[in-house]
Amino acid sequence: GAGVSQSPSNKVTEKGKDVELRCDPISGHTALYWYRQRLGQGLEFLIYFQGNSAPDKSGLPSDRFSAERTGESVSTLTIQRTQQEDSAVYLCASSSRRGGSSYEQYFGPGTRLTVT
Amino acid sequence: SQKIEQNSEALNIQEGKTATLTCNYTNYSPAYLQWYRQDPGRGPVFLLLIRENEKEKRKERLKVTFDTTLKQSLFHITASQPADSATYLCALVANNAGNMLTFGGGTRLMVKP
Repeated sequence: GAGVSQSPSNKVTEKGKDVELRCDPISGHTALYWYRQRLGQGLEFLIYFQGNSAPDKSGLPSDRFSAERTGESVSTLTIQRTQQEDSAVYLCASSSRRGGSSYEQYFGPGTRLTVT
Repeated sequence: SQKIEQNSEALNIQEGKTATLTCNYTNYSPAYLQWYRQDPGRGPVFLLLIRENEKEKRKERLKVTFDTTLKQSLFHITASQPADSATYLCALVANNAGNMLTFGGGTRLMVKP
């Protein structure tokens, strides 16, 4: 079946511009996560959506970052007034939640953001 | 502070040998720990999950151990192959952190033919 998809795959933007990154999770997955991965580093948690619950925004680095999710489908991550330090790969993942336990996360290919 | 540490230096081994990667953590009470594989330019792919009450988990050539006393997980690949070359990430979920996975920085494995 279809996996997690993200668009665009690459985005080059000028400093100060706003960008929107999109994630389509696996159908039926109730949980959706956004991560940031800088070059050669591990994954940095940004935000987590679970069903209709309030999202866990504890990883967002500043108020320039926001994310939305419509029900249990598409999510968009918005970065306003981009800065050069925002350059990274932004990864989205989804997972199913059964019986109170979470299972593995399925990742998309990521969006490589370059701020010039 | 909470930390998850993996060896940032690449691990180079000869084909056929067993690769062992280490994941250490501090100031966590993990509910479970996961291992992922990441190839260049791609998202991580789930490999194995081990729970806090499990000592060992196996899947084909992979074996994961979990020692909550030492606060350490070891990830083994037996009979390694060049195709196993990738970055391996450990990630854990703390008991009080819901579904939030916290990742280590990953260790790059290079298997030479």
